[in-house]
Amino acid sequence: GAVVSQHPSRVICKSGTSVKIECRSLDFQATTMFWYRQFPKKSLMLMATSNEGSKATYEQGVEKDKFLINHASLTLSTLTVTSAHPEDSSFYICSARDWTSGTETQYFGPGTRLLVL
Amino acid sequence: AQSVTQLDSHVSVSEGTPVLLRCNYSSSYSPSLFWYVQHPNKGLQLLLKYTSAATLVKGINGFEAEFKKSETSFHLTKPSAHMSDAAEYFCVVRGGDTGRRALTFGSGTRLQVQP
Repeated sequence: GAVVSQHPSRVICKSGTSVKIECRSLDFQATTMFWYRQFPKKSLMLMATSNEGSKATYEQGVEKDKFLINHASLTLSTLTVTSAHPEDSSFYICSARDWTSGTETQYFGPGTRLLVL
Repeated sequence: AQSVTQLDSHVSVSEGTPVLLRCNYSSSYSPSLFWYVQHPNKGLQLLLKYTSAATLVKGINGFEAEFKKSETSFHLTKPSAHMSDAAEYFCVVRGGDTGRRALTFGSGTRLQVQP
């Protein structure tokens, strides 16, 4: 299947700093990418939908000013956690929508583990 | 709106015996349904998907799932479990407005395979 990468795979930062996470579709173009958050031993919760060339759509309860999303090209979306706090520590996963096979499939990145001290 | 319910949070089987992971869905639209697997410290991998073609869907690693509209179910099965199948499995439904097409995840089922 198609490949989606995330960088970094894990990051530790101090409280109050900002962290940027990149999501790339490596062998297909993705007009739409999604950002999820996964808490320990829990399911994935959709945070926002990232659309190339337009503003992201955030789910209810997700602060758009805290979780900045930019989808400037067809292969790259970024999530910036601004002024991170310990409660933002989590596993962040992106997915990219692919139509290459003729049907829509979402491929997931390997995730980024964020620890805020 | 759509939702998905995974009926078992944990399933334990012996190696070589059949696997059944249960999933029921709810969707206002004709749903697309998926099963994803997540191994420890690894990303999500697509096992199989149903998108209104054949109701019995075959996936990778010997897994298959049957879409039953009358029962709103999409259970995942495998005839013979292998140790490497131990992982977290997510049943996922896609529906909703065309513009976003976001996925809704079930709560997950942790599969343990005993030697």
